[in-house]
Amino acid sequence: AQKITQTQPGMFVQEKEAVTLDCTYDTSDPSYGLFWYKQPSSGEMIFLIYQGSYDQQNATEGRYSLNFQKARKSANLVISASQLGDSAMYFCAMREGGSNFNKFYFGSGTKLNVKP
Amino acid sequence: DAGVTQSPTHLIKTRGQQVTLRCSPKSGHDTVSWYQQALGQGPQFIFQYYEEEERQRGNFPDRFSGHQFPNYSSELNVNALLLGDSALYLCASTPRQGQETQYFGPGTRLLVL
Repeated sequence: AQKITQTQPGMFVQEKEAVTLDCTYDTSDPSYGLFWYKQPSSGEMIFLIYQGSYDQQNATEGRYSLNFQKARKSANLVISASQLGDSAMYFCAMREGGSNFNKFYFGSGTKLNVKP
Repeated sequence: DAGVTQSPTHLIKTRGQQVTLRCSPKSGHDTVSWYQQALGQGPQFIFQYYEEEERQRGNFPDRFSGHQFPNYSSELNVNALLLGDSALYLCASTPRQGQETQYFGPGTRLLVL
């Protein structure tokens, strides 16, 4: 079974509008971390936001927020007030266990296009 | 504060050859992970090094090997290259404790002809 599933290969959003990128995960480990990364065409993965499995509140970082629904095993990324520079690939990732030694699993990504 | 650096940025090899990719972690980080990202896909975990030892390994054949040096930098070696090894190879670093995310380098684009 896939550890991370991103069902939207591509998304379009109008500049200044909000957009939600979907991510579901699969794990039986009670301790895990969920991450979102942005990958521009240059290739570098840029960390956006992190949510721990025991965190009570949804994570927020500037225009990024993570809609964490533990029972549904979903961790959707919400980008508010989209900008042209937000156009990129977005990857959801999970680290099982509470140690940085544990490997990360990535989804297949969502390509976001922001229209002027 | 220097981030994660990788070299070379691009590389072209032929089938059967061997390649070595290099990574220097972010300052203060001592754990290095390597990923393979094929075109149009998400990164796939290859292995992770800490204290000069391989700590975790993904589902990659023994043709993929690595090394970590005392200064925490790392190398990824791939032997007997196949066409399917063409990909973006990403290095990521974390501190062993106290940090929740890993930081990625710009990657090395490998093309096998």
